[in-house]
Amino acid sequence: LAKTTQPISMDSYEGQEVNITCSHNNIATNDYITWYQQFPSQGPRFIIQGYKTKVTNEVASLFIPADRKSSTLSLPRVSLSDTAVYYCLVGGDTDKLIFGTGTRLQVFP
Amino acid sequence: EAGVTQFPSHSVIEKGQTVTLRCDPISGHDNLYWYRRVMGKEIKFLLHFVKESKQDESGMPNNRFLAERTGGTYSTLKVQPAELEDSGVYFCASSQERLAGDEQFFGPGTRLTVL
Repeated sequence: LAKTTQPISMDSYEGQEVNITCSHNNIATNDYITWYQQFPSQGPRFIIQGYKTKVTNEVASLFIPADRKSSTLSLPRVSLSDTAVYYCLVGGDTDKLIFGTGTRLQVFP
Repeated sequence: EAGVTQFPSHSVIEKGQTVTLRCDPISGHDNLYWYRRVMGKEIKFLLHFVKESKQDESGMPNNRFLAERTGGTYSTLKVQPAELEDSGVYFCASSQERLAGDEQFFGPGTRLTVL
């Protein structure tokens, strides 16, 4: 299973765009890239998933370069409520999710 | 539609006692997963049910842990006897499709404290 590397923490201010990059150098051909968000005292929540190029939904965008060895989660105009831990997960041939340490995003007013 | 629910939200027991955690998945979800995060560590997979059958229990730490899903609806995770290192947050998740990468819906977790 591909291992992921993300920054441990990031700080931002309200209204700014936040980009969290994840490295997954050993990603396999059939692996998808998925991001989950976790608020304190809650379980992780699915944000977005992609295989290549760019994916956008109402919450975020996911940018995946051609070699797929990294991916960037982009959160437009963050608010205080976006303060959470963001996990990058890579997998494709198994149902179980493999969580890394995640990135703790702190948004300040 | 109700999400994944877990009971209790918090349990405090003494070493050597037994605790049973319950998870009610989203109605209609055949796949049910248990994960846990022990203090300072990452969230780790424990096991996966497809309906009432254990599909993958490779993450179960030892035979003190017993998971069941009778009837393919709710699931229980029993720890007997509990040890100090079992303290942590136990998450349950469910999904509809058995496709790798399919979105899993997580419950709020049960925080277990073993004294």
